[in-house]
Amino acid sequence: AQSVSQHNHHVILSEAASLELGCNYSYGGTVNLFWYVQYPGQHLQLLLKYFSGDPLVKGIKGFEAEFIKSKFSFNLRKPSVQWSDTAEYFCAVMMNTGFQKLVFGTGTRLLVSP
Amino acid sequence: DAGVTQSPTHLIKTRGQHVTLRCSPISGHKSVSWYQQVLGQGPQFIFQYYEKEERGRGNFPDRFSARQFPNYSSELNVNALLLGDSALYLCASSFPTAPERGGYTFGSGTRLTVV
Repeated sequence: AQSVSQHNHHVILSEAASLELGCNYSYGGTVNLFWYVQYPGQHLQLLLKYFSGDPLVKGIKGFEAEFIKSKFSFNLRKPSVQWSDTAEYFCAVMMNTGFQKLVFGTGTRLLVSP
Repeated sequence: DAGVTQSPTHLIKTRGQHVTLRCSPISGHKSVSWYQQVLGQGPQFIFQYYEKEERGRGNFPDRFSARQFPNYSSELNVNALLLGDSALYLCASSFPTAPERGGYTFGSGTRLTVV
C-alpha cells in the first residue's frame, strides 16, 4: 500500500534557525507532492506543491521543497524560521490512481521559540 | 470568493447514533472529497465525489456513506457511531481532472465527538 513517512514527529527550534523536515513516500508511479500546514485552530493550508518540471519548488512564506525522485523524497526547508511558523506540517502524495486521493504523513509538530 | 464551507463546526453525538456532515465547495469546483483526521494523525481519505458519482473510496466501513448534489455540495453520513469515529472531518474541493488548476482546498472541518 502507498504510504508517506515523516521522520520528525516533534521539532523545536529557536527563531532564525534553519528548518528541514523529511518526507519519504512509497509508490513507484507518477506522483504529485504537497506540503500542507495547519496552524493552531486553523484549517489545512497549502504551502507548496510539485507536479512536474523543476524539482526545487518554492512556496509561500519562504518555504521550499526539493523532489528527489531517486530517493522518493520531498523534504521541506526554510532558511530562517519565525515564531509564527509554529504549526503542524503535513506531507502528502497524490498518486495517479484515476481519482484524486491524497495520502498524508502523520505530521510534524514544529515549535519555534522566540 | 468563499472558500470551502463545512457545517456544523462542532458536534457531539452518542454511540449508536447517526450523523450528517455538510460541505459546500469553492465556486467552480465540481469535485468534493472527504477526509477523517484523528487526533495526532494525518488526514485519511474517505471518499471522492464528482458529478454526483463516487469516484474513489478509502478503507472505511459501510457505515460511512456520502452523496453529492446537483449544486456540487456534499453530505457525509455516518451510521451507528462508535467512539473511534471521534475526529475532525475535512472536506476538500477541486477540479476533478486537473488538480493543479486551483489546487485542492480544504475546509475548516467538523469536529465530531462521540460519547
